[in-house]
Amino acid sequence: SQQGEEDPQALSIQEGENATMNCSYKTSINNLQWYRQNSGRGLVHLILIRSNEREKHSGRLRVTLDTSKKSSSLLITASRAADTASYFCATDASGSQGNLIFGKGTKLSVKP
Amino acid sequence: GAVVSQHPSWVICKSGTSVKIECRSLDFQATTMFWYRQFPKQSLMLMATSNEGSKATYEQGVEKDKFLINHASLTLSTLTVTSAHPEDSSFYICSAGGPNQPQHFGDGTRLSIL
Repeated sequence: SQQGEEDPQALSIQEGENATMNCSYKTSINNLQWYRQNSGRGLVHLILIRSNEREKHSGRLRVTLDTSKKSSSLLITASRAADTASYFCATDASGSQGNLIFGKGTKLSVKP
Repeated sequence: GAVVSQHPSWVICKSGTSVKIECRSLDFQATTMFWYRQFPKQSLMLMATSNEGSKATYEQGVEKDKFLINHASLTLSTLTVTSAHPEDSSFYICSAGGPNQPQHFGDGTRLSIL
């Protein structure tokens, strides 16, 4: 079943602006992961944040995790047209084998 | 980095045909692989967990006789959609990776049943 919601469902910004996407989940987790999907393609892993971590950075990406609110956010700074894609959060639930429960995703469009 | 290869990338076939999709881990051994399905403009839904040398575990609502999974080696899992019908048309994606680790996804297979 779907873990939770992501918002916004769609986001359109200009190149150079920052993009923030939010994700909520329902169960206890080992970690939360963010993935990117270009249209009709597989998923590319962006960042993994463990349940005992609160913030993580990777290049232009910043992820936060609030386990008390069961929520996470992904910030992409200084966006580029090439960042246009769908972004999904996914949770690795406690006790799982590695199977992920995905949010509904945010479709990001970055206009040049 | 770890690579997962999925084949074929696109299949178009007639209703009633069985279709086999392969998922290979190219540079690591995967005792567990996962199969997901994604309908247009929707998210990924886990279909089943493929376990090397044992039976797959299917999610609720997924017909095991319809979606046959075989994980005969540490680098290969196959999903066979038996007697496919138009409602089985979807994007099927596999992944591999251990618990509490990033998952490595194949590029997906777009299945279109006429």
